[in-house]
Amino acid sequence: DVKVTQSSRYLVKRTGEKVFLECVQDMDHENMFWYRQDPGLGLRLIYFSYDVKMKEKGDIPEGYSVSREKKERFSLILESASTNQTSMYLCASSLGGQAYGYTFGSGTRLTVV
Amino acid sequence: AQSVTQLGSHVSVSEGALVLLRCNYSSSVPPYLFWYVQYPNQGLQLLLKYTSAATLVKGINGFEAEFKKSETSFHLTKPSAHMSDAAEYFCAVSNFLAGGTSYGKLTFGQGTILTVHP
Repeated sequence: DVKVTQSSRYLVKRTGEKVFLECVQDMDHENMFWYRQDPGLGLRLIYFSYDVKMKEKGDIPEGYSVSREKKERFSLILESASTNQTSMYLCASSLGGQAYGYTFGSGTRLTVV
Repeated sequence: AQSVTQLGSHVSVSEGALVLLRCNYSSSVPPYLFWYVQYPNQGLQLLLKYTSAATLVKGINGFEAEFKKSETSFHLTKPSAHMSDAAEYFCAVSNFLAGGTSYGKLTFGQGTILTVHP
């Protein structure tokens, strides 16, 4: 089975800190995605990547950036954390094409204080 | 653009009762549709998917969903609820971009929290 691993389950950071969330997949998937999940709002796409060094903005990219230097790793960066970025962050990967769907990591619950 | 709407943010059933979670989609092209389940403090897990092979799709844990083009629906059902089914359920549609590129991107509904009472 494809495995998507997010480096931290829980994180607490201070306002203004630079925060890195790491995601690694082990099945050579082309596409990787970062979502945030908030109660009542469902999953909202922050950024996705369809190849090494390639990225596309999702629906809510403001305040975030991403990095994909290797195919298996996709990092989400909060340049200057703010309290409104407190959320559950979900990483996913996909083989590509419409029929495959995603494999998700376990999520990182980030609290910014 | 494709979208999905899940009717009912919370559904409550008794153990042993029928589970029905509703999902309607909007798509200008034949859609690919998915149901995912999320248990507390975990990521999402694929329950089942529709990829145009058969309109009635069977998934894991006894769930199934029926694609109805005339109703633009893809409702999730289970004949008899179990306590372990308590979770949040998400319907999703695969995006199709002009020119054929999709990158496998999904658009998710708002989610439905299923509560199962003893």
